[in-house]
Amino acid sequence: DSGVTQTPKHLITATGQRVTLRCSPRSGDLSVYWYQQSLDQGLQFLIQYYNGEERAKGNILERFSAQQFPDLHSELNLSSLELGDSALYFCASSVEGGTVSYEQYFGPGTRLTVT
Amino acid sequence: GQQVMQIPQYQHVQEGEDFTTYCNSSTTLSNIQWYKQRPGGHPVFLIQLVKSGEVKKQKRLTFQFGEAKKNSSLHITATQTTDVGTYFCAVDNYGQNFVFGPGTRLSVLP
Repeated sequence: DSGVTQTPKHLITATGQRVTLRCSPRSGDLSVYWYQQSLDQGLQFLIQYYNGEERAKGNILERFSAQQFPDLHSELNLSSLELGDSALYFCASSVEGGTVSYEQYFGPGTRLTVT
Repeated sequence: GQQVMQIPQYQHVQEGEDFTTYCNSSTTLSNIQWYKQRPGGHPVFLIQLVKSGEVKKQKRLTFQFGEAKKNSSLHITATQTTDVGTYFCAVDNYGQNFVFGPGTRLSVLP
């Protein structure tokens, strides 16, 4: 158990819909990362937040948005869903997230299926 | 942008054989991390390398950072069935973005 929690575990929804994925980082971790992993694919970095502020952005679509709240939990919002958005979405957290890298602790992931 | 390659993409070995995966970057790196993801699981941090030419060992695993800090390797001695999974390298472009390599999927035949 990494200490990172993600809800829900599974999500099935239809094209065009909007969903929200939630992540609670490890106690004390200030940085949260979101990744997308399609079937048998690698990890695509989406976005990183550090202490409530956006720190880095990867290949995140405009239909996707995220935020980190004062209690440090984070939400990833996916809208106008398409079949290709079906994937495993991981959240990870680390102590810091600046110019020095720290190890990331991954949550169990949310499996999103768009039908 | 940042390009990270890993070879091989897949590796099948007999239990007891050695295994090596290589990670190559198009740019000089500040550091490199390695993660392991078991089938159906989530990535788990293995190690971080920071210094040029650094070598670190964890039991049967040996990690190396290239002198030019553009490549790295992970070597497993005498593989076991518990080593099965996908091994990813991950690079942080001086805090600008985080890139995972495509991974090397290791299968170990008993």
